[in-house]
Amino acid sequence: QVQLVQSGTEVKNPGASVKVSCKTSGYTFTDYYIQWVRQAPGQGLEWMAWINPKRGRTNYAQKFHGRLTLTGDSSISTVYMELSGLRSDDTAVYYCARATPPGDYVPLDYWGQGTLVTVSS
Amino acid sequence: DIVMTQSPDSLAVSLGERATINCSSRQSVLFSSDNKNYLAWYQQKSGQPPKLLIYWASTRESGVPDRFSGSGSGTNFTLTISSLQAEDVAVYYCQQYYRTPFIFGPGTKVDIK
Repeated sequence: QVQLVQSGTEVKNPGASVKVSCKTSGYTFTDYYIQWVRQAPGQGLEWMAWINPKRGRTNYAQKFHGRLTLTGDSSISTVYMELSGLRSDDTAVYYCARATPPGDYVPLDYWGQGTLVTVSS
Repeated sequence: DIVMTQSPDSLAVSLGERATINCSSRQSVLFSSDNKNYLAWYQQKSGQPPKLLIYWASTRESGVPDRFSGSGSGTNFTLTISSLQAEDVAVYYCQQYYRTPFIFGPGTKVDIK
């Protein structure tokens, strides 16, 4: 069965970076884009970016340009989301999700469990 | 950016009654080349990741009960729960995937009256 398993809770100081992993299984890793969505405490969903694991092509929301990097490692079917220059308003649960069917402009059918990132001094 | 709005912000419906949620996009999300509306609906229960309910505005995801239905085209869309069940208590989000950033609506909280 399809699974996306994310790394654990992170606590970071302002200005630091965080790298969250999303390990996938149950399907061919390179066939499906992975997207990242975050949710601040008590707030709605915010789309961040996507990555094409086959070619490494990425698309970032403008507000994260320069701070956000998505990478993939096909040898272990894992995608990484790294956010730098952390601020208190980056405190959120970060989700990875699989886009389906294969392609970029498609919905999200399987989601990771979420990773809480807390930014606090 | 294609901004999404939803109404109402919240609603309380009696068990077995109909719940209707509206979603509007600032620009059309209907792609003329394939005549598809690039609009999805997600359900998020407390403490859980979102779950895909409806995509292409009206196609129900596999395994989703048929009491959930989606309709609309262009800029105006509706999610209907025909007979609300206790397990439907959640926040519902629409999302356009027509153009990045794939913005979500602000969400509609559904409760039992």
